[in-house]
Amino acid sequence: GENVEQHPSTLSVQEGDSAVIKCTYSDSASNYFPWYKQELGKGPQLIIDIRSNVGEKKDQRIAVTLNKTAKHFSLHITETQPEDSAVYFCAASKANRDDKIIFGKGTRLHILP
Amino acid sequence: DTEVTQTPKHLVMGMTNKKSLKCEQHMGHRAMYWYKQKAKKPPELMFVYSYEKLSINESVPSRFSPECPNSSLLNLHLHALQPEDSALYLCASSQDNWGGGHQHFGDGTRLSIL
Repeated sequence: GENVEQHPSTLSVQEGDSAVIKCTYSDSASNYFPWYKQELGKGPQLIIDIRSNVGEKKDQRIAVTLNKTAKHFSLHITETQPEDSAVYFCAASKANRDDKIIFGKGTRLHILP
Repeated sequence: DTEVTQTPKHLVMGMTNKKSLKCEQHMGHRAMYWYKQKAKKPPELMFVYSYEKLSINESVPSRFSPECPNSSLLNLHLHALQPEDSALYLCASSQDNWGGGHQHFGDGTRLSIL
């Protein structure tokens, strides 16, 4: 089955700097890659997603890149702000009936003042 | 504000109690999910309902019993739980149960078993 590896497990960056979180997946049939942000005391919320027919997607300060050949995808946050502090999960799934989302283990992002 | 509402937010129960967790969404989604999340871990899928029918049970112990009374509601009935069942229980919904869809999560019920 699918396996998603996520690095680093913890990341501290100065406010205003950029943060990058990387994930790899094992199943070449996976074609949907969402990123979820989970703040303390809240459920995960989708912040951006990418499908396998696209190499990059951007939404304001957040971007995701996908390399299908290498089976890895990354989240880039620019001009980080205190409210970006949270746990981020990458995930992968296939667009089949009853296919599950497989999550990475998460990255705890700390934005330092 | 999340569009998936879970109640209660916190629940403390003894191992012999029976309680239920509730989840509601009004986005017209036809797939609903229960996840269990332990501290510092990703969510783990427990059950999936599609069009009010159970479509996935991830070999969850029978002390957890899901129910989908209608397309907007999802319940999780709890009985004779163990201390290791203490966790955050998350409900999610999506348009349908085809993978590749955006799952909307509630803020969860934090369950503590005494």
